[in-house]
Amino acid sequence: QVTLRESGPALVKPTQTLTLTCSFSGFSLSSSGMCVSWIRQPPGKALEWLALIDWDDDKYYSTSLKTRLTISKDTSKNQVVLTMTNMDPVDTATYYCARTLFTMVAVEEYYFDSWGQGTLVTVSS
Amino acid sequence: SYELTQPPSVSVSPGQTARITCSGDALPKQHGYWYQQKPGQAPVLVIYKDSERPSGIPERFSGTSSGTTVTLSISGVQAEDEADYYCQSPDSSGTYVFFGGGTKLTVL
Repeated sequence: QVTLRESGPALVKPTQTLTLTCSFSGFSLSSSGMCVSWIRQPPGKALEWLALIDWDDDKYYSTSLKTRLTISKDTSKNQVVLTMTNMDPVDTATYYCARTLFTMVAVEEYYFDSWGQGTLVTVSS
Repeated sequence: SYELTQPPSVSVSPGQTARITCSGDALPKQHGYWYQQKPGQAPVLVIYKDSERPSGIPERFSGTSSGTTVTLSISGVQAEDEADYYCQSPDSSGTYVFFGGGTKLTVL
């Protein structure tokens, strides 16, 4: 059974750096085709993909947030960490981590088959 | 930046078929994926690779693809299907992931 759980601060101040940890079980991030992504959702708004790390330690970021994001993994601990710098009130959202599967058809594709329950992060002074 | 366009809302009566569309320029070459999200819950994958259904997803959920549009169909809609539905697909490079703006399905 695949499970993922996000952890981190519920409240951060503007300009601070947010660090979120995704702890997972039921799969290995060293297995070919396995990835973990971070996705966020502001209250009442749509999902937004943020970052992805794959089994080979390749990393991909949203073009709009690339300069603020860093994703890393600790395969031995089954954890993926996301840091986001210079937090702003518009970054208030529920942050999800999700197991991400890689598939190669005509081009590379990624999709999310298991999600954590999400963690609400509020940015406020 | 790449965009996937969904209608903001769709309404159907119980027992009818709901169809939710998602349009994007890269969809002729990329697959579409669909997620169901109920209030206060994480999204759930309901369709992958345009038309495949994960285990545990009811058969009334199906997906099709035609040109620049992928469609999620829910036949025999039930009250429990009321939720937000999001399509997802990569852009033409395959490197980046995009979500549509979401469609709120209301069961009348």
